[in-house]
Amino acid sequence: KAGVTQTPRYLIKTRGQQVTLSCSPISGHRSVSWYQQTPGQGLQFLFEYFSETQRNKGNFPGRFSGRQFSNSRSEMNVSTLELGDSALYLCASSLGGGPSGANVLTFGAGSRLTVL
Amino acid sequence: AQKVTQAQTEISVVEKEDVTLDCVYETRDTTYYLFWYKQPPSGELVFLIRRNSFDEQNEISGRYSWNFQKSTSSFNFTITASQVVDSAVYFCALSEGNNAGNMLTFGGGTRLMVKP
Repeated sequence: KAGVTQTPRYLIKTRGQQVTLSCSPISGHRSVSWYQQTPGQGLQFLFEYFSETQRNKGNFPGRFSGRQFSNSRSEMNVSTLELGDSALYLCASSLGGGPSGANVLTFGAGSRLTVL
Repeated sequence: AQKVTQAQTEISVVEKEDVTLDCVYETRDTTYYLFWYKQPPSGELVFLIRRNSFDEQNEISGRYSWNFQKSTSSFNFTITASQVVDSAVYFCALSEGNNAGNMLTFGGGTRLMVKP
């Protein structure tokens, strides 16, 4: 069974540019979540999508956005990049149903973004 | 608001030593879930265990054991007879049951180094 696939694995951008990251969940998983990991702030929740609808959103500026497609694949976009956006962006998928908060998340290896 | 604290940022042990990683959480919910994830150098978080707030039974899985105590809001993780392969960053996380979905709040992580 294939795991969670994130592309690209590494990328370098300059300030002011935008970036799109992609996540393919485990087959059958309908929930996709995104997390940002930095040395200073640790792991922080960005947003969660379930059946193409944003179900939860973390405390990030509007420059961070996402979407989910009918096949459950998800993309996140960061516009007008800042130096502080340099981070490892982790995607996680889960079945999505069941009691709230109970789902086990399966994480991808992440996309490491460097902003120069 | 929920919060997870892992006071130990880094622990170094010699192989075969036992080691306990501490986790203290805060939540106002009566229904919540606690998780431990392991992050090896490859980057992806690997699920280790999930407990719900109504089940305080301790759990043992091979060399791993977990001690959940609601009275002290702690969910500690012990590795018995540590091995070099246990070297990784370990995260404790909390998910509240009143969230419509899955949103994990992570602790800052504990970097465990097991030396041969």
